[in-house]
Amino acid sequence: NAGVTQTPKFRVLKTGQSMTLLCAQDMNHEYMYWYRQDPGMGLRLIHYSVGEGTTAKGEVPDGYNVSRLKKQNFLLGLESAAPSQTSVYFCASSYLIGYTFGSGTRLTVV
Amino acid sequence: KQEVTQIPAALSVPEGENLVLNCSFTDSAIYNLQWFRQDPGKGLTSLLLIQSSQREQTSGRLNASLDKSSGRSTLYIAASQPGDSATYLCAPSNFGNEKLTFGTGTRLTIIP
Repeated sequence: NAGVTQTPKFRVLKTGQSMTLLCAQDMNHEYMYWYRQDPGMGLRLIHYSVGEGTTAKGEVPDGYNVSRLKKQNFLLGLESAAPSQTSVYFCASSYLIGYTFGSGTRLTVV
Repeated sequence: KQEVTQIPAALSVPEGENLVLNCSFTDSAIYNLQWFRQDPGKGLTSLLLIQSSQREQTSGRLNASLDKSSGRSTLYIAASQPGDSATYLCAPSNFGNEKLTFGTGTRLTIIP
């Protein structure tokens, strides 16, 4: 089925460890996004990309890096995880006709 | 900066009732507005998308309206069912990059 696929679905990290979340879409969408969702805060935009090779900061970019080397993939990296980065991370893609979201990655930093 | 408010934060209604969820946003220069549904522990499912040039959009028992000049959108759910219980999120998007800004949602409970 066409859509947005996120890996992994769950992860527990120790403080200071690094990891990369992968997002892949097969709809040929130009735009891709990473959001985090925290209780009572709604979804907040971390970084986004308007095309292959481009990235831009969103509302809460600190502590995260991203790359969009291929149009279909958008990677979110945590270089040194902190407990404040415990959250549910959602990737999404869009182009003119609305958003499609992935099913999320639940990350716990201990 | 776009700010989105959804009222009420939570709503409980008996099965079969018609109901309206409200969304207001501060920047009317939007590209489109989407309504999403989120079940507990799950991702977001797109329900309806209204382009900035449209006034409303319908899908089954759902009808969403958009008044861009006043910064408001409503989601109307007809003949509510227990399966409609979920959190409903509205999100306008900006021109140029389609970034969505989310409200904190309305948590809807339909009582059988």
